[in-house]
Amino acid sequence: GDSVTQTEGQVALSEEDFLTIHCNYSASGYPALFWYVQYPGEGPQFLFRASRDKEKGSSRGFEATYDKGTTSFHLRKASVQESDSAVYYCALGDNNNAPRFGAGTKLSVKP
Amino acid sequence: GALVYQYPRRTICKSGTSMRMECQAVGFQATSVAWYRQSPQKTFELIALSTVNSAIKYEQNFTQEKFPISHPNLSFSSMTVLNAYLEDRGLYLCGARVGLSAETLYFGSGTRLTVL
Repeated sequence: GDSVTQTEGQVALSEEDFLTIHCNYSASGYPALFWYVQYPGEGPQFLFRASRDKEKGSSRGFEATYDKGTTSFHLRKASVQESDSAVYYCALGDNNNAPRFGAGTKLSVKP
Repeated sequence: GALVYQYPRRTICKSGTSMRMECQAVGFQATSVAWYRQSPQKTFELIALSTVNSAIKYEQNFTQEKFPISHPNLSFSSMTVLNAYLEDRGLYLCGARVGLSAETLYFGSGTRLTVL
C-alpha cells in the first residue's frame, strides 16, 4: 500500500541552522503530499501540501518540492528558530482515502 | 480558518468499560472525518474515514464493533471505544476535510484516553 518514510527520527540544530528533513514516498498514481507539525499537547497542524510533480509548497519559512523522479518531498528551512522545535510529519493522501503519515521527525533547536 | 474541537481533552476509564469522544467542526462543513490513534510506540494509526452519505471505511485491525462512529451532519462526528483495554490507550485525533474534493485534513487537539 501507499506509504511515506521519514529517515530521521530526531534532528538537533542550533538557531539559524539550515534544516532538511527527508521524506520519501511509495504510491501508485499521483498522491497529494503534505507536511504537518505537532507541538506538545496539540493535534497536528497543517503546514502545506503539493499535488503535482515539481510543485512547491511553503508556509512559515518551510518549503518542500514534490519530486516524482526521486519520490521525495523533503522539508527545508533556511534558518530555524527555537520556536520551530516540534515533531514534523510527512503524509500522503488522495480524495478517496485519509492521509497516511510517516513516523515523524522530532526537531530540537537550541538557542 | 478551519477549526476542529475535540472533547473531552482527557479521559480515564476502567478496563472493560466504554468511552465516547466527540469532534466538532466550526466555521466549515466537514464532509469527511478521519479518526486516528496516536500512541507512543506508533505514529498515526488510521482507524476509519467517515464521509457523509457514504459507508464508513474502517482500516484493517479496526472494526465498527469496537470503534462505532457516528457522523450525522456536516459539523459533528463521534466515536466510541467499546470495552477499552490497555492497548487502546493513546491520543485519539479527529481530522476533518473541507469540501468533497479536498484532501487536506484539519485536526483537533485530540482526546487522550487512559485505561486503568
